[in-house]
Amino acid sequence: SQQGEEDPQALSIQEGENATMNCSYKTSINNLQWYRQNSGRGLVHLILIRSNEREKHSGRLRVTLDTSKKSSSLLITASRAADTASYFCAPDNTDKLIFGTGTRLQVFP
Amino acid sequence: DTAVSQTPKYLVTQMGNDKSIKCEQNLGHDTMYWYKQDSKKFLKIMFSYNNKELIINETVPNRFSPKSPDKAHLNLHINSLELGDSAVYFCASSHAGETGSFGYTFGSGTRLTVV
Repeated sequence: SQQGEEDPQALSIQEGENATMNCSYKTSINNLQWYRQNSGRGLVHLILIRSNEREKHSGRLRVTLDTSKKSSSLLITASRAADTASYFCAPDNTDKLIFGTGTRLQVFP
Repeated sequence: DTAVSQTPKYLVTQMGNDKSIKCEQNLGHDTMYWYKQDSKKFLKIMFSYNNKELIINETVPNRFSPKSPDKAHLNLHINSLELGDSAVYFCASSHAGETGSFGYTFGSGTRLTVV
């Protein structure tokens, strides 16, 4: 099993700007998942990208996956104050997801 | 109609006590998990059950004992609570396919404070 390593640890932007978060991992994967955690709440599944996919979109979210570099990125376009949260990536290759410490995103109005 | 529900939401107790946290999912998922999130937001998996059978047991003290009466429930009992057990405990569930899970659904967490 492996965990994803998110980068940066923290990110502050203004509303309307785009936010990009990166994830690196070490071994082969079946898929990679991104989650959001609002303060005091549980994690919410955002998007899953399979190992044979390179890019996936969901609303204002865009996820890319580069299996040769063992990395993924999450782009949130036209950010809103409500996007303020921690974002976690989770490489999936076994029977459990192991999470890193996440990227804390702060979006200022 | 909460998909994964945990009770209680908050739990304050003294050192040495025994306490339980309950979790129920109504999604029909076959696998359930317990995670512990510390003050630095690091989420650590503790246990996993698939169809009532224990499949993952990470390095967790024996004072922690999960119980799964059926595949929709996974409870966590903690004996002789210690200060270091203070954390937020999350229950989660998932349904696995051939290429991994389709995504986990988390409960809203139980904030345990040991005084």
